[in-house]
Amino acid sequence: KQEVTQIPAALSVPEGENLVLNCSFTDSAIYNLQWFRQDPGKGLTSLLLIQSSQREQTSGRLNASLDKSSGRSTLYIAASQPGDSATYLCAVATGGGNKLTFGTGTQLKVEL
Amino acid sequence: IAGITQAPTSQILAAGRRMTLRCTQDMRHNAMYWYRQDLGLGLRLIHYSNTAGTTGKGEVPDGYSVSRANTDDFPLTLASAVPSQTSVYFCASSAVAGGNNEQFFGPGTRLTVL
Repeated sequence: KQEVTQIPAALSVPEGENLVLNCSFTDSAIYNLQWFRQDPGKGLTSLLLIQSSQREQTSGRLNASLDKSSGRSTLYIAASQPGDSATYLCAVATGGGNKLTFGTGTQLKVEL
Repeated sequence: IAGITQAPTSQILAAGRRMTLRCTQDMRHNAMYWYRQDLGLGLRLIHYSNTAGTTGKGEVPDGYSVSRANTDDFPLTLASAVPSQTSVYFCASSAVAGGNNEQFFGPGTRLTVL
């Protein structure tokens, strides 16, 4: 059974700092890995999707990497801002690609 | 363009009552999904539908049923609600099932079963 772990569970950083969020998964037979953002009381917003054949994806200040063989992904956030404060979730796709297994998230707070 | 809408936003329900959570998408996506989110457990897949007329079971399907009569709607029904079904429920969709298609999520329904 696929298990997804995110470390740390919570992180507080000062504004402007670069930071890395970690995601690990136990079964490397994945179709893709998605990073999501969730604001309190809201739904999930898709940030980046990395296909299993890719090593990284970039969108603005966000860069996600994937090392499928070691079962790891990182989400790098450059020059963090208070508006980046949210919970970040990673999810891996298995079962033909449409079954997502989620981690429990990293709650990020960026302080002024 | 609304994307995915869910109704109700929140609901308090007596145990044993029947409840249907509604989900509608306007993106003409073929695949739709229902997840529940619980503290410490993350999001878990309840049921999914790869295309209109088909449905499948996810990780935690017991106590829930779904139907997919058309492309846009994917209601989730709790036939006889129990307190362990207290959760936040999210509906999602993707253009097609499988492969490398992003899933897009609705705003969620917060359900409390007493």
